[in-house]
Amino acid sequence: EAQVTQNPRYLITVTGKKLTVTCSQNMNHEYMSWYRQDPGLGLRQIYYSMNVEVTDKGDVPEGYKVSRKEKRNFPLILESPSPNQTSLYFCATSQGYATETQYFGPGTRLLVL
Amino acid sequence: AQSVTQLGSHVSVSEGALVLLRCNYSSSVPPYLFWYVQYPNQGLQLLLKYTSAATLVKGINGFEAEFKKSETSFHLTKPSAHMSDAAEYFCASPRGSEKLVFGKGTKLTVNP
Repeated sequence: EAQVTQNPRYLITVTGKKLTVTCSQNMNHEYMSWYRQDPGLGLRQIYYSMNVEVTDKGDVPEGYKVSRKEKRNFPLILESPSPNQTSLYFCATSQGYATETQYFGPGTRLLVL
Repeated sequence: AQSVTQLGSHVSVSEGALVLLRCNYSSSVPPYLFWYVQYPNQGLQLLLKYTSAATLVKGINGFEAEFKKSETSFHLTKPSAHMSDAAEYFCASPRGSEKLVFGKGTKLTVNP
């Protein structure tokens, strides 16, 4: 079954404690991206990756890092989380960049105290 | 730069009534346009996609959208709302080929 998985699904942490949210896909997709969803703001793209070792900033990259060492995985790293990073995070993948259908993970709800 | 605007953050309709969710885009060239749906506590899934092949695009669950270049619009419609249509709907369009921009979303409530 084609899947995009995210872990953890829910996370409560404290300011400054480094965390990683994992994203994995089994569809052999080249393009992967991370979004945050906030009420009234819709989804905003944090980072995207067009292939292994190729990543670039989206519209709201501050405070986040990513890496793409393998095609199937695209972890999102918050090195020093702050309360304004409390949000719902989605990973998405597609076969060919942003012009193709995106397949979304189930989301990770993060609360930073 | 490409952007999409969704008019109305909340839309409420009665079961069986017409659903109309509005999306306008800003682009000087024919864009790719998407509608995604997010059911409660789930990720987004594709409803339909415009790629310039046809101006009227049919999607899943009885939804369709019409691309109108003169109005720079891509409104989503469904003739008869069902309770199961209650969800949040997002219009999206790529900025270039690498970035994807979403509207702020419209939450649809269906009243019995």
